[in-house]
Amino acid sequence: GAVVSQHPSRVICKSGTSVKIECRSLDFQATTMFWYRQFPKQSLMLMATSNEGSKATYEQGVEKDKFLINHASLTLSTLTVTSAHPEDSSFYICSARDSLRNPADTQYFGPGTRLTVL
Amino acid sequence: GQNIDQPTEMTATEGAIVQINCTYQTSGFNGLFWYQQHAGEAPTFLSYNVLDGLEEKGRFSSFLSRSKGYSYLLLKELQMKDSASYLCAVRDRSGYSTLTFGKGTMLLVSP
Repeated sequence: GAVVSQHPSRVICKSGTSVKIECRSLDFQATTMFWYRQFPKQSLMLMATSNEGSKATYEQGVEKDKFLINHASLTLSTLTVTSAHPEDSSFYICSARDSLRNPADTQYFGPGTRLTVL
Repeated sequence: GQNIDQPTEMTATEGAIVQINCTYQTSGFNGLFWYQQHAGEAPTFLSYNVLDGLEEKGRFSSFLSRSKGYSYLLLKELQMKDSASYLCAVRDRSGYSTLTFGKGTMLLVSP
């Protein structure tokens, strides 16, 4: 149980284009999903917290107009990187919280999306 | 805010025991997690501590002392596949239970 998927696993795009990344909880309902970014040899940095049916909460320094988050259902959240630039190249990871079944409120992570902007 | 410190790298030999320490200074505390992350992959959950003491799960154990702001992850009978980065993460008291991650400890297990 507690499986989280992400699609695509890898994407290469040209500078100026937009890229959408999907995060799905496959066997549980996730009222809250989180989006992280990880640069090489660095830790995970929380970008935003996504709650189903409401606006995402962005961390300080993360541009909400550039990183659009939509949490339209209890099993799907999407992150759209708009007008991507080479400095946006990174490993993007989502996680989902299984509050109902897991008293520890553990976050389970998706497999990540490697974004490369040329 | 949260500040989480862990060693950058550690090395050990196959079959040995290794202890990875984590210290934290936080404005709030609602649990400490350990995750394992292989290169290029997402983190996988290893353990969770919210009360003081030791939690044992097979070859892995995790300890927490809230008064000292200290935790460790103990790995026994090391295997080559245990070579990975180990991330310590603290959950704050916010309504959304966000996690703050340390930079991770890269463990290299040699034959």
